Amino acid sequence: EAGVVQSPRYKIIEKKQPVAFWCNPISGHNTLYWYRQNLGQGPELLIRYENEEAVDDSQLPKDRFSAERLKGVDSTLKIQPAELGDSAVYLCASRGSGSSYNEQFFGPGTRLTVL
Amino acid sequence: AQSVTQLDSHVSVSEGTPVLLRCNYSSSYSPSLFWYVQHPNKGLQLLLKYTSAATLVKGINGFEAEFKKSETSFHLTKPSAHMSDAAEYFCVVSESGNNRKLIWGLGTSLAVNP
Repeated sequence: EAGVVQSPRYKIIEKKQPVAFWCNPISGHNTLYWYRQNLGQGPELLIRYENEEAVDDSQLPKDRFSAERLKGVDSTLKIQPAELGDSAVYLCASRGSGSSYNEQFFGPGTRLTVL
Repeated sequence: AQSVTQLDSHVSVSEGTPVLLRCNYSSSYSPSLFWYVQHPNKGLQLLLKYTSAATLVKGINGFEAEFKKSETSFHLTKPSAHMSDAAEYFCVVSESGNNRKLIWGLGTSLAVNP
């Protein structure tokens, strides 16, 4: 079974430029998460989707960040314009139902560097 | 509110010696608890989880953790460290309720010396 797929793995941009990250969750997983992980810290939740609905976006900086999951499968996270402080690893995770209901499966992340 | 505290930001052990990474949690309800590992430039991988079954939980790569409700602890152990165990380890508590939000510790960096 394929895991959570993210692309690109690395991205370097100049400040004020836009950037987008893509995530394809594990097949059949209805719940999808976007996290941001700063160096030396644990992940912080940005947004959670249940199918195509964003059910928790309270931590998403909505002035510059946006996300979508139009068909309830893959998802895109966008930053426009990027700021220096946005440099971080952006992680996508997915969760299914059943015996591993609480368990989230993580992708490898996208490391963003804003210059 | 739920919270998790990892008591050591850095742990250094010699190869072949035991590993102990400490984690205390605070929860109003019966929590689900996890340990995740993150190797450099790799994604987070679940080591083990406690979800109100056996209090001693065995995970991958020889790791195990014991849920102690009286001490509100969920310490991660391994009898003999291997060089490949060097990584960042996160203790995580899951909120109760339908949203199951994960509350993350700040992480413990494990170094394994030859």
